Amino acid sequence: KAGVTQTPRYLIKTRGQQVTLSCSPISGHRSVSWYQQTPGQGLQFLFEYFSETQRNKGNFPGRFSGRQFSNSRSEMNVSTLELGDSALYLCASMIAGGFNNEQFFGPGTRLTVL
Amino acid sequence: AQTVTQSQPEMSVQEAETVTLSCTYDTSESDYYLFWYKQPPSRQMILVIRQEAYKQQNATENRFSVNFQKAAKSFSLKISDSQLGDAAMYFCAIAGAGSYQLTFGKGTKLSVIP
Repeated sequence: KAGVTQTPRYLIKTRGQQVTLSCSPISGHRSVSWYQQTPGQGLQFLFEYFSETQRNKGNFPGRFSGRQFSNSRSEMNVSTLELGDSALYLCASMIAGGFNNEQFFGPGTRLTVL
Repeated sequence: AQTVTQSQPEMSVQEAETVTLSCTYDTSESDYYLFWYKQPPSRQMILVIRQEAYKQQNATENRFSVNFQKAAKSFSLKISDSQLGDAAMYFCAIAGAGSYQLTFGKGTKLSVIP
């Protein structure tokens, strides 16, 4: 069974631009979560989607948004990029909600904002 | 709110020896899960071990075991017979039983000396 895939793996943008990252969960998984990883703040939860509905959102500004499609694939969008948005963005999927199930992570998208 | 503290930013161990990584946490949840994740240089987060808080028995997975002290809110990871492939960042994390997000510690960088 294929793992969680994220595209693109690397991305370079400039301040003020917007970016869209994609995550394809493991087949059959309906829950997709997004995390931001930076050297200063560590790993921080962005949001979680299940059956196309956002169930939980972390403490990030409205410039960060996401969505989930009917096939469980998810995208996250960051508008008006700032230098501080440079980070590794990790996506994770689970069969359903709740951590009685294992959460599998993708390889991440490395975003650099210049 | 939940917090996770890893007080050892870096640790090293000789190959074949045993090392223990420390983690303390705080939560208002009565039911929760605790995790140790490994992140090698490839950046792929890998679940090492999971502990359900309602279980008194400490979880074990091959060379990896935990010492879960619920009253002390402590959750340490012991790696026995350390191997070169164990070198990585190790993150302790917590999730409430009904939640959809992980809260991570800042991580411990483990080096394995041949």
